[in-house]
Amino acid sequence: DQQVKQNSPSLSVQEGRISILNCDYTNSMFDYFLWYKKYPAEGPTFLISISSIKDKNEDGRFTVFLNKSAKHLSLHIVPSQPGDSAVYFCAASPIQGAQKLVFGQGTRLTINP
Amino acid sequence: DAEITQSPRHKITETGRQVTLACHQTWNHNNMFWYRQDLGHGLRLIHYSYGVQDTNKGEVSDGYSVSRSNTEDLPLTLESAASSQTSVYFCASSGGGPNQPQHFGDGTRLSIL
Repeated sequence: DQQVKQNSPSLSVQEGRISILNCDYTNSMFDYFLWYKKYPAEGPTFLISISSIKDKNEDGRFTVFLNKSAKHLSLHIVPSQPGDSAVYFCAASPIQGAQKLVFGQGTRLTINP
Repeated sequence: DAEITQSPRHKITETGRQVTLACHQTWNHNNMFWYRQDLGHGLRLIHYSYGVQDTNKGEVSDGYSVSRSNTEDLPLTLESAASSQTSVYFCASSGGGPNQPQHFGDGTRLSIL
């Protein structure tokens, strides 16, 4: 039973345009959400997070939106750059904190010049 | 700079053998985690530890064990390797407050023949 789902295995976006990556979850007990970025042969690196008490968090070109009623979060990257090409994982944590992460399957983002 | 290192980076072994994957962090983090990454599943939690002498089972713990004798290390042992345990294994650590992000190592690719 996949509690965190990323339904798009891949996404291709033109350089300079907006990239939108989506994530859905089923467990209403999730309290904290994170996005990780992963390059080949490297470990995931933390990108941005959001607490369930917020609906938006921004960090430079990256914005995460949380819609609790729909159990949906999204990551917006504006403008997209070639270095953003990577696999993006969303992750969720139960109400106790960010220590037991449940990951989605990942979305491979390709930025085309 | 603080870091988290995994060794070996690649390993090939035979079914039935005992295998130990090493994870060492210099962040002085209390929390350490082991995940496996498989296609279509994202990362799944195997075991985790919140401090010395503390270990807990994650989502996919069968066939795996960990021990935590000091803050820096959390080795993962496959008691009797099975082909279904062929995967990429990631170690992570986190510290401080409950919503501190986890920092990942670069992974160990394990093949069991």
